[in-house]
Amino acid sequence: NAGVMQNPRHLVRRRGQEARLRCSPMKGHSHVYWYRQLPEEGLKFMVYLQKENIIDESGMPKERFSAEFPKEGPSILRIQQVVRGDSAAYFCASWTGSGYGYTFGSGTRLTVV
Amino acid sequence: GNSVTQMEGPVTLSEEAFLTINCTYTATGYPSLFWYVQYPGEGLQLLLKATKADDKGSNKGFEATYRKETTSFHLEKGSVQVSDSAVYFCALRFDSNYQLIWGAGTKLIIKP
Repeated sequence: NAGVMQNPRHLVRRRGQEARLRCSPMKGHSHVYWYRQLPEEGLKFMVYLQKENIIDESGMPKERFSAEFPKEGPSILRIQQVVRGDSAAYFCASWTGSGYGYTFGSGTRLTVV
Repeated sequence: GNSVTQMEGPVTLSEEAFLTINCTYTATGYPSLFWYVQYPGEGLQLLLKATKADDKGSNKGFEATYRKETTSFHLEKGSVQVSDSAVYFCALRFDSNYQLIWGAGTKLIIKP
């Protein structure tokens, strides 16, 4: 049973480009969370999704950021027109919907140059 | 609002030393409390948890006790190893909510 898979592990984008981050949850997990970790800081909640639904996007910037979790395929976090301040590690976690244990992926480290 | 405060790092210790990483929280209600560990270049792993007052979570030699009276959940280990070098995060979560609220993390460096 593979863990939460995130790709790419490292992503470099020039300012103004688009970044697409992918997260494949654990088998049987239908809940996905995205968190952002800025350098030397803790994790900040961005968005919580279930299959085909956004449950809570209160932590996501209103502009340039979007997330989806389609019926088939991975969850995608999309950042349009990236800026230097978007440079961070983005972590995905999946959950069955009950119990306490999230499972985190290894993250995508985005660098905007 | 709800928040978690951890001691600032880095914390540098010699192998076999006793470890304490302080964590205190502010919460309206009775959250569950967690410690996560992040090894270099990896994601976060749940280290231990406690769901109610006076519970003790333990794993891999680490322990933490949920202290409601002091709103604390300090992480301890009796004898650290070089392989314990990582960043440790304290977090809380309410049963009625799914979000984890995180401390800023404490970097632990163990020297041989």
